[in-house]
Amino acid sequence: KAGVTQTPRYLIKTRGQQVTLSCSPISGHRSVSWYQQTPGQGLQFLFEYFSETQRNKGNFPGRFSGRQFSNSRSEMNVSTLELGDSALYLCASSLGIGGAGETQYFGPGTRLLVL
Amino acid sequence: DQQVKQNSPSLSVQEGRISILNCDYTNSMFDYFLWYKKYPAEGPTFLISISSIKDKNEDGRFTVFLNKSAKHLSLHIVPSQPGDSAVYFCAARQAYSGAGSYQLTFGKGTKLSVIP
Repeated sequence: KAGVTQTPRYLIKTRGQQVTLSCSPISGHRSVSWYQQTPGQGLQFLFEYFSETQRNKGNFPGRFSGRQFSNSRSEMNVSTLELGDSALYLCASSLGIGGAGETQYFGPGTRLLVL
Repeated sequence: DQQVKQNSPSLSVQEGRISILNCDYTNSMFDYFLWYKKYPAEGPTFLISISSIKDKNEDGRFTVFLNKSAKHLSLHIVPSQPGDSAVYFCAARQAYSGAGSYQLTFGKGTKLSVIP
């Protein structure tokens, strides 16, 4: 079974621009979560989508948004980029049905550098 | 407020010996715990998990112990191998959160170095 894929793997943008990152979950997984990893803050939860609906959102400004398509693929968008948005953005997929066995599997991440 | 803490940023262990990585949490609503391993420039890889109804879970060289009263869990790797050198993240999840979301709360990681 193919794992979680993320595109692009690397991205360089300048302040004020916007960016869209893409994530394809493991086949059969309906939940996609996004995390931001920075050296100072570790992995922080951005939001989670399940069946095209945002189920939960972390403590990030409205410049960070996302969506999920009917095939469970997800995109996240960051508008008006700031230097502090430079980070590794990770996507994780899971079945999304809960229970003790719910486990999130991560993609390789997209490394975003804002200049 | 950090709900999941890994107080040791780094750990060095000789090959063949035991590695013990520790994690503390403060939120009593957490009921499922996971350990992930991460190499540079890659996403975290799931290693092992434990439900709060258990106190131990074993998978090959990896064992996770959970002490609910102390809000503490640990990952034991025996024997340690050079390929185990990576950053290890502890994560916790609530059984129910908001509208059924299962977000993970992560510690900041412990960098394990296994010396040949």
